[in-house]
Amino acid sequence: AQKVTQAQTEISVVEKEDVTLDCVYETRDTTYYLFWYKQPPSGELVFLIRRNSFDEQNEISGRYSWNFQKSTSSFNFTITASQVVDSAVYFCALSDRDDKIIFGKGTRLHILP
Amino acid sequence: KAGVTQTPRYLIKTRGQQVTLSCSPISGHRSVSWYQQTPGQGLQFLFEYFSETQRNKGNFPGRFSGRQFSNSRSEMNVSTLELGDSALYLCASGAGVGVSVYEQYFGPGTRLTVT
Repeated sequence: AQKVTQAQTEISVVEKEDVTLDCVYETRDTTYYLFWYKQPPSGELVFLIRRNSFDEQNEISGRYSWNFQKSTSSFNFTITASQVVDSAVYFCALSDRDDKIIFGKGTRLHILP
Repeated sequence: KAGVTQTPRYLIKTRGQQVTLSCSPISGHRSVSWYQQTPGQGLQFLFEYFSETQRNKGNFPGRFSGRQFSNSRSEMNVSTLELGDSALYLCASGAGVGVSVYEQYFGPGTRLTVT
């Protein structure tokens, strides 16, 4: 069965610190997709990244970077030089052959000024 | 380009009633998917519609149903409301079929409270 675990329920860091959000997934399929979404206080989910299971290259987008490791079934997300605007709930998600997105419970990130 | 819109934004209903929520996708998008978000269960996939056909469904009872119109607008209906149906209902649209392949653009959600 598919499962996404975000062990960190809540994290607080001071602005400009780096922070890593952990995500561990389970699936029996060899073809699957991994996602990260951001949910700011307004409520809308904002797509950040999608990775398919055959692409283990790490990705960097500005201050955001993602580390995908199939060997440990992890897809971690790092924010470098965090800013107050990064405060939100972040969701890691998985979809496989069923094409249904399974979300983790989310990590609430507080960036303190 | 206008984003995904959902109406109403807030709704209060009584147990046993039914409710209909509406979602208008981004212009040109033909796929609409629905999600329920609660503090206890988190974010859960409800269903996906493409070209007026339900192509995928999550693990929810039959009280939850939906439909999609020819203009891609979608409605979600919950009958015989229960207290546990209180949630934020999110709708997302995509340019093509499949929530995995096409980026999903989410609306602001409808906050449903059942009393």
